Amino acid sequence: DTAVSQTPKYLVTQMGNDKSIKCEQNLGHDTMYWYKQDSKKFLKIMFSYNNKELIINETVPNRFSPKSPDKAHLNLHINSLELGDSAVYFCASSRQGFGVTEAFFGQGTRLTVV
Amino acid sequence: GNSVTQMEGPVTLSEEAFLTINCTYTATGYPSLFWYVQYPGEGLQLLLKATKADDKGSNKGFEATYRKETTSFHLEKGSVQVSDSAVYFCALNQGSARQLTFGSGTQLTVLP
Repeated sequence: DTAVSQTPKYLVTQMGNDKSIKCEQNLGHDTMYWYKQDSKKFLKIMFSYNNKELIINETVPNRFSPKSPDKAHLNLHINSLELGDSAVYFCASSRQGFGVTEAFFGQGTRLTVV
Repeated sequence: GNSVTQMEGPVTLSEEAFLTINCTYTATGYPSLFWYVQYPGEGLQLLLKATKADDKGSNKGFEATYRKETTSFHLEKGSVQVSDSAVYFCALNQGSARQLTFGSGTQLTVLP
């Protein structure tokens, strides 16, 4: 009964490949996010979806494409992987509204591009 | 825009030492403030939060007080344990922003 689960936990792949990371939340939240954490632990938001609608799309290469089939799922597809894509990717969810909106995070997917 | 500035790490302390990790923010209006903790190999977990000025968030012996006059939300713990070794992130959420804005994280290592 994990609140936010993402798969896989580890992903090692060669440059140029296409890969997907899946995320599911069972909290009934209406907003989901993808964050990228670099080797210095810095967290950068990539995308945010609210009720399956894209609301935040930061400056991210268009090789990255999020897909939200429903409110409980937000997948991340990456085309033509590059060495610089190596990082830990975190999915998160929250209840959107004015005021306190804490986010719940998945365990992360460590992507290594070789 | 919103921003969060955290004390740079790494911070290394001996067990039972006093911990302070500084956090200041820039935001318009009245953001909610959070501290998240990331243990090795895990995702971020909410440690504590405060939603208005002078609120004190507390959890697991950690405390932080929302100070609007100094735009700060410093994290403190009176006596750290080895198990507190982790990366700590200060964050804010302003109602209209629709996302958490994180600080750069502070690595804490507690030695026995």
